[in-house]
Amino acid sequence: EAGVVQSPRYKIIEKKQPVAFWCNPISGHNTLYWYLQNLGQGPELLIRYENEEAVDDSQLPKDRFSAERLKGVDSTLKIQPAELGDSAVYLCASSYLISNEQFFGPGTRLTVL
Amino acid sequence: SQQGEEDPQALSIQEGENATMNCSYKTSINNLQWYRQNSGRGLVHLILIRSNEREKHSGRLRVTLDTSKKSSSLLITASRAADTASYFCATDRRGAGSYQLTFGKGTKLSVIP
Repeated sequence: EAGVVQSPRYKIIEKKQPVAFWCNPISGHNTLYWYLQNLGQGPELLIRYENEEAVDDSQLPKDRFSAERLKGVDSTLKIQPAELGDSAVYLCASSYLISNEQFFGPGTRLTVL
Repeated sequence: SQQGEEDPQALSIQEGENATMNCSYKTSINNLQWYRQNSGRGLVHLILIRSNEREKHSGRLRVTLDTSKKSSSLLITASRAADTASYFCATDRRGAGSYQLTFGKGTKLSVIP
């Protein structure tokens, strides 16, 4: 069984540029999460989807961040424009709707110069 | 915001020794989970302990939970070099929304061959 796939693995951009991250969850997983992980910290939830519905986006900075999960499968997280403080690892995870265990992708390491 | 706090922040042991990591949290929980993160990789679920359980085992892992002290410990017995990783506790808080995990800052474990 394939795990959670994320791309790109690394991204370097200049501030004020847009950037997008893509996630393909494990087949059959209804719930998808985007997390932000700063160096030396644990992951912090940005947004949670149940199928195609964003059920918790309270921690998503909506002035510059947006996300979508069309058809309830793949998801894209976008930052526009990026700021220096956005440099971090962006993790995607998925789970069955009624499961507590989350399966994580390898993450995208973003560096904003 | 971080719900859990792991202790110690970093731990270095010799191969074959036991490693103990602790986690404290602030609010009532449904369950507590431990995850491992190897350098540059995503998180991997290790074990889940429910609020009505006191101890749980999985292979070389032993987890305890004391809800009265709002704390948990993860014991890795007979450590191996491959156990070198960061370990995070994550709590599923009551009332915070189903299956939403809040992670601590992690303990960085180094096992020296």
